[in-house]
Amino acid sequence: AQSVTQPDIHITVSEGASLELRCNYSYGATPYLFWYVQSPGQGLQLLLKYFSGDTLVQGIKGFEAEFKRSQSSFNLRKPSVHWSDAAEYFCAVGVSGTYKYIFGTGTRLKVLA
Amino acid sequence: SQTIHQWPATLVQPVGSPLSLECTVEGTSNPNLYWYRQAAGRGLQLLFYSIGIDQISSEVPQNLSASRPQDRQFILSSKKLLLSDSGFYLCAWSVTGGSYEQYFGPGTRLTVT
Repeated sequence: AQSVTQPDIHITVSEGASLELRCNYSYGATPYLFWYVQSPGQGLQLLLKYFSGDTLVQGIKGFEAEFKRSQSSFNLRKPSVHWSDAAEYFCAVGVSGTYKYIFGTGTRLKVLA
Repeated sequence: SQTIHQWPATLVQPVGSPLSLECTVEGTSNPNLYWYRQAAGRGLQLLFYSIGIDQISSEVPQNLSASRPQDRQFILSSKKLLLSDSGFYLCAWSVTGGSYEQYFGPGTRLTVT
């Protein structure tokens, strides 16, 4: 069955430290992969997406993600975290032919000053 | 550019009362439309999606219903609210035949008392 796993429910990092949020997927075909960010009480904002081509994709707000087919992973990274990055982050897989997503359960990021 | 609106932003309703949440997209034609629910501390649950007027799919059995009276308008309704209907309701849209990315509205916080 298709699924998306975000193994870390909560992550705490210090401001200025690097960040990696994990996302693993189970999907038979080449996946369409997405990362979203949600600040408290707000909607989701698309950070970046992967459809094909270069496996390292750049997004907004200084985020990047790397698609690794062999590991079925699409981890989100940022070299230096800012306090404003504190939010919840969701990984999603687009289900081919349906326009639907499978979402991970999210990772809540806390940033220490 | 495209924008998505949801209203109301916040709603407090008693158990057994009706519900109507509205979502409108501007700046695009024939979008795919989605309703999600996010319960407190939990991920996103797809409730309904629509690939056109009179084409609405329900993902989860529940006492909610959806309608699409116009191309860019999506309504979420209930005849009698339950306590378990409390949550954060998000509307989203994507381009028909496009690259799958979904764009989310600001959400409606529903509290059933």
